[in-house]
Amino acid sequence: ILNVEQSPQSLHVQEGDSTNFTCSFPSSNFYALHWYRWETAKSPEALFVMTLNGDEKKKGRISATLNTKEGYSYLYIKGSQPEDSATYLCVPSAAGNKLTFGGGTRVLVKP
Amino acid sequence: SQTIHQWPATLVQPVGSPLSLECTVEGTSNPNLYWYRQAAGRGLQLLFYSVGIGQISSEVPQNLSASRPQDRQFILSSKKLLLSDSGFYLCAWTQSGLERETQYFGPGTRLLVL
Repeated sequence: ILNVEQSPQSLHVQEGDSTNFTCSFPSSNFYALHWYRWETAKSPEALFVMTLNGDEKKKGRISATLNTKEGYSYLYIKGSQPEDSATYLCVPSAAGNKLTFGGGTRVLVKP
Repeated sequence: SQTIHQWPATLVQPVGSPLSLECTVEGTSNPNLYWYRQAAGRGLQLLFYSVGIGQISSEVPQNLSASRPQDRQFILSSKKLLLSDSGFYLCAWTQSGLERETQYFGPGTRLLVL
């Protein structure tokens, strides 16, 4: 089981503001890091898979960076919109692509 | 394109009754398949995964079992449900067991055991 910590657990963002939050994971035996977006009553939506130290990925207004040496990743939301409200999950892979989910960061964008 | 289906979408069952949840994947062959559960107030937990027909690995001891009778079919079962089996069950697939591959999730089954 891989320990993953996301901070903060929840945050409120004003519409139009940008925000970011952190994921910490064990840096040893690193395989890959997945970011998912999970809205209530829906299934998790894959955002990124990151494997290399220094990786940066972008999807629309959402981007992420990866530091495998120190074991952290940041996810950024630029110009937050109400539809960005969701729980964002940082998920490290164990061997065999078995994912360990933490509690995520719950983002609420206020109009 | 690939799609993943789960049914039923919601289920209310009495304690002690049997359970069968089904997951099927279309548009791919020989996928890796996974069952996850989210209990109330908790995160997603991996229950079972399968790399092929008849091959099941259990991640946590529990009241549930899984089977893979066909290449793209994954079934979650229980002979006698417990209250603690309530939760949101998600099936996922990936093309192989490579850690960099994205897992794609189905729509889920919400189970309430009374």
